[in-house]
Amino acid sequence: QSVLTQPPSASGTPGQRVTISCSGSSSNIGSHNVYWYQQLPGTAPKLLIYGNYQRPSGVPDRFSGSKSGTSASLAISGLRSEDEGDYYCAAWDDSVSGHVFGTGTKVTVL
Amino acid sequence: EVQLVESGGDLVQPGGSLRLSCAASGFTFSTYDMHWVRQAPGKGLEWVSGIGTAGDTYYLGSVKGRFTTSRENARNSFYLQMNSLRAGDTALYYCARGAPQGFDPWGQGTQVTVS
Repeated sequence: QSVLTQPPSASGTPGQRVTISCSGSSSNIGSHNVYWYQQLPGTAPKLLIYGNYQRPSGVPDRFSGSKSGTSASLAISGLRSEDEGDYYCAAWDDSVSGHVFGTGTKVTVL
Repeated sequence: EVQLVESGGDLVQPGGSLRLSCAASGFTFSTYDMHWVRQAPGKGLEWVSGIGTAGDTYYLGSVKGRFTTSRENARNSFYLQMNSLRAGDTALYYCARGAPQGFDPWGQGTQVTVS
């Protein structure tokens, strides 16, 4: 059972900005870095954001991350059809001494 | 090119055992933590286990005592020994390189079906 809560879905038209929230607690997001992963249909997950807001090389700057207190957000600006897929937040959790993932958000481009 | 390739997934009866392997290439394997993450059919991601560079291990609560993670640096490989398998363990199992920069990259996964 995921301890990081995300909205099940988000959508937008091409070019729009979409934001996905990730709600946690003091034992995870509140005291550790947040990561975001993108999983396109039929593929393995891919790291999108690390260290709350940093992008690995090759990830477009349309993707941005932020964190405040026990919550984090992923924003996708200039939405494109190839952005359709599932997005997961993740963090280390002291209460379970393990990594935890969010419930996942399915992004649809209308 | 950094690459991870999983193997060992199979169909197994409840109570049975399996050993998954992950072969790494393209980086200095011994200097990275490694992790197993699973995804049940139609469900989200679930971290299962991790092993540090010193061999320290970490497990999801529901697999503690049943699963064991190990690594063999000389072979650039790490493993997940799964015992007492349950239907709830059915999933696609991914291996991933761990770092302060997150799980990156991921393998393509190996399917474990308990039925």
